[in-house]
Amino acid sequence: DTAVSQTPKYLVTQMGNDKSIKCEQNLGHDTMYWYKQDSKKFLKIMFSYNNKELIINETVPNRFSPKSPDKAHLNLHINSLELGDSAVYFCASSQERTSGITPWLFFGEGSRLTVL
Amino acid sequence: GIQVEQSPPDLILQEGANSTLRCNFSDSVNNLQWFHQNPWGQLINLFYIPSGTKQNGRLSATTVATERYSLLYISSSQTTDSGVYFCAVGPNDYKLSFGAGTTVTVRA
Repeated sequence: DTAVSQTPKYLVTQMGNDKSIKCEQNLGHDTMYWYKQDSKKFLKIMFSYNNKELIINETVPNRFSPKSPDKAHLNLHINSLELGDSAVYFCASSQERTSGITPWLFFGEGSRLTVL
Repeated sequence: GIQVEQSPPDLILQEGANSTLRCNFSDSVNNLQWFHQNPWGQLINLFYIPSGTKQNGRLSATTVATERYSLLYISSSQTTDSGVYFCAVGPNDYKLSFGAGTTVTVRA
């Protein structure tokens, strides 16, 4: 069973469209994240949710809206897509250190978004 | 945020060679992890090492937190070691900043 799964893995769309990426983790983790990896492989955190509450919101355009319906899911909706949004988006999860578990960051396989 | 610098940016190795990758960071950290991104894009955890030394097979890592650097050692490299190695650090567990990575190419 995949620990952190994302769908879709590939997304090709036109500028101006709206799209969503879904993420689910079956690790029982408390915290989920969205990271963006650009064409130069640079990874940058976008959002972090802990127990469904938004705790980190980096400088990301308002067109990006995360939603966490429960601890196991974190979705990313993007409005009015632009060329610069083309990237690989990674979902990740981790467990809180206070639970006595090493807070490894586990990544999904990524969703490659191409905006034409 | 914490600045992370990785060196070298690129490394080409002959199979069987040893190498050291370095990660410097600008502030004290409570979380430091090393990842390997394979040629298929998967990000795989290697070490959680905010301080001390750990070994896992042919890989080992050392973090000297007081001097703000971490080293990843690859011994007897294999072609399957190719990919990008990332260091990620954070003052807490929620906001890890990634370095730009070291791209390793191991030639047979």
